[in-house]
Amino acid sequence: EAGVAQSPRYKIIEKRQSVAFWCNPISGHATLYWYQQILGQGPKLLIQFQNNGVVDDSQLPKDRFSAERLKGVDSTLKIQPAKLEDSAVYLCASSLLPTGWGEKLFFGSGTQLSVL
Amino acid sequence: TQLLEQSPQFLSIQEGENLTVYCNSSSVFSSLQWYRQEPGEGPVLLVTVVTGGEVKKLKRLTFQFGDARKDSSLHITAAQPGDTGLYLCAGLSGNQFYFGTGTSLTVIP
Repeated sequence: EAGVAQSPRYKIIEKRQSVAFWCNPISGHATLYWYQQILGQGPKLLIQFQNNGVVDDSQLPKDRFSAERLKGVDSTLKIQPAKLEDSAVYLCASSLLPTGWGEKLFFGSGTQLSVL
Repeated sequence: TQLLEQSPQFLSIQEGENLTVYCNSSSVFSSLQWYRQEPGEGPVLLVTVVTGGEVKKLKRLTFQFGDARKDSSLHITAAQPGDTGLYLCAGLSGNQFYFGTGTSLTVIP
C-alpha cells in the first residue's frame, strides 16, 4: 500500500516569509497528525484531525501556524510569517483509528524547513 | 506536557555488542511505543506495549514496559550496522502520543 506522502522534501525561506506543506495520508486513514521535530528532539504534536475536524491543536502556535484538512483526506500546514525557531522537520502521520485506541502511526518522510 | 526522558542521548558501539536504551517518565501511560527513525525518513513503529511488566521480543530486540507503566527499556543483542538510527519512545496519555527525547545509535562495522 502507498505510504504517507509529503511535499516538498526541503524548503529554505527567509524569516517573515510564508510557507506551506502538503500531506496525503494513507487511503482510508481517518486520523491525520502534524508533528514538528526540532533537530535533536523527539516529534511534538502540532495538530490532530479526525476526518476533517480538529481533535487537538493545543500546541499549535495559532498566531502564525494554520492547518486544514478539507474533505477529510489531504492536509496543508501553513506558517505565516516564519521565524528562525521554526526551522525543523515537519512530519505528517496518519492512523486508521484515533490515537486513543493506541493505534499505529504511519509517518511520511517529512519536510525539512530552514528559516534564514 | 508529559515528559519522556531517554538515555543515553547518543550511543556508539561496535558490531556484535549489546546495548540498552531507557525511557523514563514521572507520568503513567496507557501504552508505550518504540520507533526507529533513519536520517531523512519518518519514524517507523517497532512495537507497542500495553500491560505493566510486559516484555516483547522482536528478533534481537527486547522491549519491556515498567510495572507502573511509567518507564520502558529497549535491549538490543548483538547489534548490527542496520540497527543504526534514532530510537524514540512514545507514551500514550489521553488521546495523544508524547515522544521521548530520542537516542541516536551508531553501530560501527
